[in-house]
Amino acid sequence: ETGVTQTPRHLVMGMTNKKSLKCEQHLGHNAMYWYKQSAKKPLELMFVYNFKEQTENNSVPSRFSPECPNSSHLFLHLHTLQPEDSALYLCASSQERSRFEAFFGQGTRLTVV
Amino acid sequence: AQSVTQLDSQVPVFEEAPVELRCNYSSSVSVYLFWYVQYPNQGLQLLLKYLSGSTLVESINGFEAEFNKSQTSFHLRKPSVHISDTAEYFCAVSEGNQGGKLIFGQGTELSVKP
Repeated sequence: ETGVTQTPRHLVMGMTNKKSLKCEQHLGHNAMYWYKQSAKKPLELMFVYNFKEQTENNSVPSRFSPECPNSSHLFLHLHTLQPEDSALYLCASSQERSRFEAFFGQGTRLTVV
Repeated sequence: AQSVTQLDSQVPVFEEAPVELRCNYSSSVSVYLFWYVQYPNQGLQLLLKYLSGSTLVESINGFEAEFNKSQTSFHLRKPSVHISDTAEYFCAVSEGNQGGKLIFGQGTELSVKP
């Protein structure tokens, strides 16, 4: 098992669809993150969860709804997305303390049509 | 507010040549600094990190970076690159309260040609 696993790897959805991205970490970490990587833009931190509790939401539109049922799993529920939401969505995990770096999954390539 | 600037969006270089990828940051507090690498169709992998101590940090595959507090820089270097080093490289900082909360630069695409 790789450290951080994301499914699916690729997703094409219509603007009226509802879909979910899944992330699972096998590293015993207690913090999980969603990042968005758009073309020609720096990676943007979307959400932070520490010990299953959301501690940060960086002004993300409500059409993105995260869920963290336990410290090993993180979901991103998507509904009524826009074409500009097409991007690579990366999940990461770490220990919540400052000296520990983040480990990233391979990402889900999302295309909204 | 923190920010990270990677001064070159693309760096083409020939195999076995040296390379430097530049990174400058701005922050009013102590930071931790990271370089991540992203190969095509992959996620990000940690290349090296600076937390404290020696200002020169090295990776297992020959890259090194030097933290320069006075110049607020964390440039990445390799004395001799390989074709397999072709990838996108991201510089990132964290404010120190949580290592996974990162501010990234725009990325530098390193292209190594034979």
